[in-house]
Amino acid sequence: SQQGEEDPQALSIQEGENATMNCSYKTSINNLQWYRQNSGRGLVHLILIRSNEREKHSGRLRVTLDTSKKSSSLLITASRAADTASYFCATDPIQGAQKLVFGQGTRLTINP
Amino acid sequence: KAGVTQTPRYLIKTRGQQVTLSCSPISGHRSVSWYQQTPGQGLQFLFEYFSETQRNKGNFPGRFSGRQFSNSRSEMNVSTLELGDSALYLCASSNRDQSQETQYFGPGTRLLVL
Repeated sequence: SQQGEEDPQALSIQEGENATMNCSYKTSINNLQWYRQNSGRGLVHLILIRSNEREKHSGRLRVTLDTSKKSSSLLITASRAADTASYFCATDPIQGAQKLVFGQGTRLTINP
Repeated sequence: KAGVTQTPRYLIKTRGQQVTLSCSPISGHRSVSWYQQTPGQGLQFLFEYFSETQRNKGNFPGRFSGRQFSNSRSEMNVSTLELGDSALYLCASSNRDQSQETQYFGPGTRLLVL
């Protein structure tokens, strides 16, 4: 079963705008990771945030983690057409047999 | 380093047949995990292998099995295929020695069961 829920399911914005995606999860985690997937291809790792971290940056990406609310957000600033993809959060649970538990993803479309 | 490779990239099978998919991890990575992705169920964990041993297993029937070789390459097998097995199968490798490891994914094998 999916642990994570992502919000929104789909997001369409203009190039240059910022995009924010949210992820909620259910159990205690070691870390949370964000991945990007283009048109049913393989997943590309974007960023990993540990359970003891609250915020992390990588280029135009900013990730926050609130373990008390069991939620995370991914902010992409100054979006580009090439950012069009599906974005997934994945949690590494402390307990359980699952390696990574993925959310359903957010489909992001950047309009030129 | 070369990335994770998966073969074949596309496969068409009929119900009742069996299929074997292959995954070569990044050089030096000893952990290989398999995931199934479908439009209805999303990404679901199948199993993880480390040093030729299955470490974790997801909630899939016994028709789904896997193995890992001494060179860390992994195969997964699906027997008695069903229409619902049509999916993108992704494998990922990681350096298990790191406590907070990133999973590196291959391009996937798209399986269509007719």
